[in-house]
Amino acid sequence: DAEITQSPRHKITETGRQVTLACHQTWNHNNMFWYRQDLGHGLRLIHYSYGVHDTNKGEVSDGYSVSRSNTEDLPLTLESAASSQTSVYFCASSSSTGTEKNIQYFGAGTRLSVL
Amino acid sequence: AQKVTQAQTEISVVEKEDVTLDCVYETRDTTYYLFWYKQPPSGELVFLIRRNSFDEQNEISGRYSWNFQKSTSSFNFTITASQVVDSAVYFCALSEAQDRLAFGKGNQVVVIP
Repeated sequence: DAEITQSPRHKITETGRQVTLACHQTWNHNNMFWYRQDLGHGLRLIHYSYGVHDTNKGEVSDGYSVSRSNTEDLPLTLESAASSQTSVYFCASSSSTGTEKNIQYFGAGTRLSVL
Repeated sequence: AQKVTQAQTEISVVEKEDVTLDCVYETRDTTYYLFWYKQPPSGELVFLIRRNSFDEQNEISGRYSWNFQKSTSSFNFTITASQVVDSAVYFCALSEAQDRLAFGKGNQVVVIP
């Protein structure tokens, strides 16, 4: 079965360190997204991609970067982790065509703590 | 400006009661999609329904039903005869022309046995 996986599921790091969160999907979806979830804010979009070599900033992109070198993966990098980036991070993917157009399927999430 | 508003943050109901979650959205597009997702205590996000802007038919799926009204920009969700397994956070979301989702802040539903 197709799926979307995130790793690691839990991560503790120190301020100032670079951290990369992995996201891998086997749906063959063109679109991939990263969100962060914080109490009182719901899910907020960090970065997204509509295809290989395409990346775009979302509403809370400062301090984060992504790259899309293939269809399956969209890693999220925190260049210099800050305590304000302690959050739960979700990756999602969707197709832009067909009967499942726009339906985003989510990974299980990564809980990141920055100390 | 917030595009999706879910006014009630936490709702508690006794098992077997009905519960309705309100969702009001804002968009200038004529083509858009509305969604509901469920996030149980285990944390994953589960897709429940997608509705496009041209289809105002209400939908029922088991104990779940959805009422889409373009005239009031609302897409409300009702759980009939609630069960403990319905305890979760429910998110309403809007997708406009570019496939991105704008989420509401969610409704925490607590079903008391």
